[in-house]
Amino acid sequence: DSGVTQTPKHLITATGQRVTLRCSPRSGDLSVYWYQQSLDQGLQFLIQYYNGEERAKGNILERFSAQQFPDLHSELNLSSLELGDSALYFCASSPYHSRTDSGYTFGSGTRLTVV
Amino acid sequence: AQRVTQPEKLLSVFKGAPVELKCNYSYSGSPELFWYVQYSRQRLQLLLRHISRESIKGFTADLNKGETSFHLKKPFAQEEDSAMYYCALTPGQGGKLIFGQGTELSVKP
Repeated sequence: DSGVTQTPKHLITATGQRVTLRCSPRSGDLSVYWYQQSLDQGLQFLIQYYNGEERAKGNILERFSAQQFPDLHSELNLSSLELGDSALYFCASSPYHSRTDSGYTFGSGTRLTVV
Repeated sequence: AQRVTQPEKLLSVFKGAPVELKCNYSYSGSPELFWYVQYSRQRLQLLLRHISRESIKGFTADLNKGETSFHLKKPFAQEEDSAMYYCALTPGQGGKLIFGQGTELSVKP
């Protein structure tokens, strides 16, 4: 087990709905990163939090938001869902805010299907 | 612009044959470069990074700054090497990774 836990593993929901994906980082890691993996866009960085603060933003839609809580777990909220939001959403964690060495670990992902 | 290009979507080789997965990058500074592997759409695992110059599972990759390439090589492919391989870079600031589109390696018996 990599230590990064994502729940749920699978999620099926209808268009227009809102879902929350959860990520618990590896113990001791302060940074959480969210990525979206889709067939047409590949792996895209969405957003990073470090110790509760937003650190970097990537190609994240306005309908999406995230936060990191005091216990360092993070949630990615996806609203007004569209068919194109169907993807595998990965979370990763690392001890640092700017290094990506061997301490950067991915979770197993949440597969979101919008119908 | 920061970009990682993997020109081959699929690479199919026979067991025991040499493998080279190509990766080219576009970045004005000095990026850190990585190869990640993903088996059967499982979690991504770090395979190797250019700063460590290590060899993992027989794979090596050399950073060529002149050609802005970071190709992944293995002299003798094994069936268990079949997976998706992603080349990625991290820019100078922040820990985000910029991924290429990935290359699916299929090693036939």
